[in-house]
Amino acid sequence: ETVLTQSPGSLSLSPGERATLSCRASQSVSSRYLAWYQQKPGQAPRLLIYGASSRATGIPDRFSGSGSGTDFTLTISRLEPEDSAVYYCQQYGNSPGTFGQGTKVEIK
Amino acid sequence: QVQLVQSGAEVKQPGASVKVACKSSGYTFTTYGISWVRQAPGQGLEWMGWISGNNGHRDFAQNFRGRVTMTTDTSTGTAYMELRSLRSDDTAVYYCARDCSSTFCYGDYWGQGTLVTVSS
Repeated sequence: ETVLTQSPGSLSLSPGERATLSCRASQSVSSRYLAWYQQKPGQAPRLLIYGASSRATGIPDRFSGSGSGTDFTLTISRLEPEDSAVYYCQQYGNSPGTFGQGTKVEIK
Repeated sequence: QVQLVQSGAEVKQPGASVKVACKSSGYTFTTYGISWVRQAPGQGLEWMGWISGNNGHRDFAQNFRGRVTMTTDTSTGTAYMELRSLRSDDTAVYYCARDCSSTFCYGDYWGQGTLVTVSS
C-alpha cells in the first residue's frame, strides 16, 4: 500500500503567517489523486483540496494545494485563528486508499 | 442539502459484531459511493473501504478484508458497515463519507461519526 508521510508533525504560527504542510508518498500517486482534509476536535473531517490542487466547494482561496508524483504540499497563505486544526492528506490513486498521519497546526 | 446521518453509539464485547448505518439525503444515492473511515481515540484517520452506490462494487483495506462487510440499500439511500470479531483496538469513531461512484476517491460530505466501544 502507499504510505503517506506528513511533515512537520506540528507547527505553531501567528495569524497572518503562511503555513506549508508536506505530504510525501512511498510511491507515485497516479493522476495527482491526492486530497487534503481539515479536522477540528470533535468534528468530522472537512474536504479542502482534491486532485492535488482543486479547492472543494466553499473553501477560501487562502488554502492551496500543489505537487505531483510523490511530493505534495498544502499551503495556507494567511493563517486565521479558525485554521487551528489537524490536517490530513489522503491518496486515492492507488488501492487501497491511505491517509497520512496528520499535521497539527496551532495558531499562537 | 447533502446530509449523511449515522446510527448511534454502540458498546460491544470482544468477539461480537457491530453494524453501523449511514443514511443519505439531499442527493441521488446511486450516483455516488460511500467510503468508511475510522479514527481511534487520539489517533489519525484510517481508510477502511468503499462501496459504489450504483453497482455494489467494493474495495477494502487489507487490514479489514474478511472481517468487514459493506452493503447498501438503494431504496432508502442507506449504507451499512458491519465489522465482525471485534477487538479492543477496534474502539474508534467510525465515519461514512460520500465518495465517487465508479471507484473510491475523496469524501466530500461526511457523517457525524459513530463511536464504537469494544470492552468486556
